[in-house]
Amino acid sequence: KNEVEQSPQNLTAQEGEFITINCSYSVGISALHWLQQHPGGGIVSLFMLSSGKKKHGRLIATINIQEKHSSLHITASHPRDSAVYICAVFSGSARQLTFGSGTQLTVLP
Amino acid sequence: DAGITQSPRYKITETGRQVTLMCHQTWSHSYMFWYRQDLGHGLRLIYYSAAADITDKGEVPDGYVVSRSKTENFPLTLESATRSQTSVYFCASKVGGGTEAFFGQGTRLTVV
Repeated sequence: KNEVEQSPQNLTAQEGEFITINCSYSVGISALHWLQQHPGGGIVSLFMLSSGKKKHGRLIATINIQEKHSSLHITASHPRDSAVYICAVFSGSARQLTFGSGTQLTVLP
Repeated sequence: DAGITQSPRYKITETGRQVTLMCHQTWSHSYMFWYRQDLGHGLRLIYYSAAADITDKGEVPDGYVVSRSKTENFPLTLESATRSQTSVYFCASKVGGGTEAFFGQGTRLTVV
């Protein structure tokens, strides 16, 4: 079993829909990252969370430390949101990240 | 420019050749990492470095060599490239004790 599990693996939505991507982890963590990767592109850090909730524009990330679960929400989705979203956690000595397998999001116009 | 940069962005090489991927960061972050990204595996750690002259193996180190003579540079060398090393390689850095990581743009390597 992977230490970091994401769901769904693939998600197709219509423009304007509210989107949720989930991440569950099985280890104690010091922080959790949500990353975005566009096709052929680099990796961009969207959020880093250790508790609670963060909001940036149409993106909202929440984390529940007790339940070892985080969600990434996109409100009023747009085709330019189409990308792979990756959850990653810093655990243990916080020297390295453990990654989920990613969620491929496609937003159709 | 400030940031973390990888070079080259794209590389095609032949089986058996030595190839070096470069990573340079301008923040003086103590930690640097090399990952490879493959379909079905996600991102996997190859090697990391906690400081200049300190390196350690990650999950998939076989066939790779790293060095870190200067804090800002962390080159990854494939001593004798194999087709299984065809992948996208990402370099990342973070401050010591910090938990926010910064990624390079990636290097797409094809071994033919």
